[in-house]
Amino acid sequence: KAGVTQTPRYLIKTRGQQVTLSCSPISGHRSVSWYQQTPGQGLQFLFEYFSETQRNKGNFPGRFSGRQFSNSRSEMNVSTLELGDSALYLCASSLDTGGNTEAFFGQGTRLTVV
Amino acid sequence: DQQVKQNSPSLSVQEGRISILNCDYTNSMFDYFLWYKKYPAEGPTFLISISSIKDKNEDGRFTVFLNKSAKHLSLHIVPSQPGDSAVYFCAASASGGNTPLVFGKGTRLSVIA
Repeated sequence: KAGVTQTPRYLIKTRGQQVTLSCSPISGHRSVSWYQQTPGQGLQFLFEYFSETQRNKGNFPGRFSGRQFSNSRSEMNVSTLELGDSALYLCASSLDTGGNTEAFFGQGTRLTVV
Repeated sequence: DQQVKQNSPSLSVQEGRISILNCDYTNSMFDYFLWYKKYPAEGPTFLISISSIKDKNEDGRFTVFLNKSAKHLSLHIVPSQPGDSAVYFCAASASGGNTPLVFGKGTRLSVIA
């Protein structure tokens, strides 16, 4: 069974540009969550999608957006990139949203903004 | 407002000894708790979980203890091995409200041979 796949693995962008990250969940998983990891800050929740609907959103500016497709694949977009957006972006999939269910993570996309 | 706190950023333990990683939470709605392990340049991997109806869950060398009254949980690793060196994240969720997993900031465990 394939795991969570995130593409690309590494990305370098310039301030002001925009970026799109992709996540393919485990087959059969309908919930996809995105997290930002920066040194010393742990995993900060960005948003969660379930069956193409955003179910939860974290405390991030509107420059961060996402969507989920009918095949459960998800994308997140960051517009007008800032230096502080440099981070590891992690996608996690689970069978359902919330509740007593484990989330399985991809390897992440390392975004560097210069 | 940090709902899940891991107050020790790092911990060093001798190989073969017990590692104890601690986690505190503030949201009384949390009823499911998980521990994840993360190596550099990889995503976190699920390690062990516990429901609030239990106070202990064991899986091989890993045991998680939950003290609901103190809103505290701990992960015990015994015996510790060098391969256990990683960052450990505590996470919590509330089953009733479709809430996402909330993570602590992590504790970096170093097991010294």
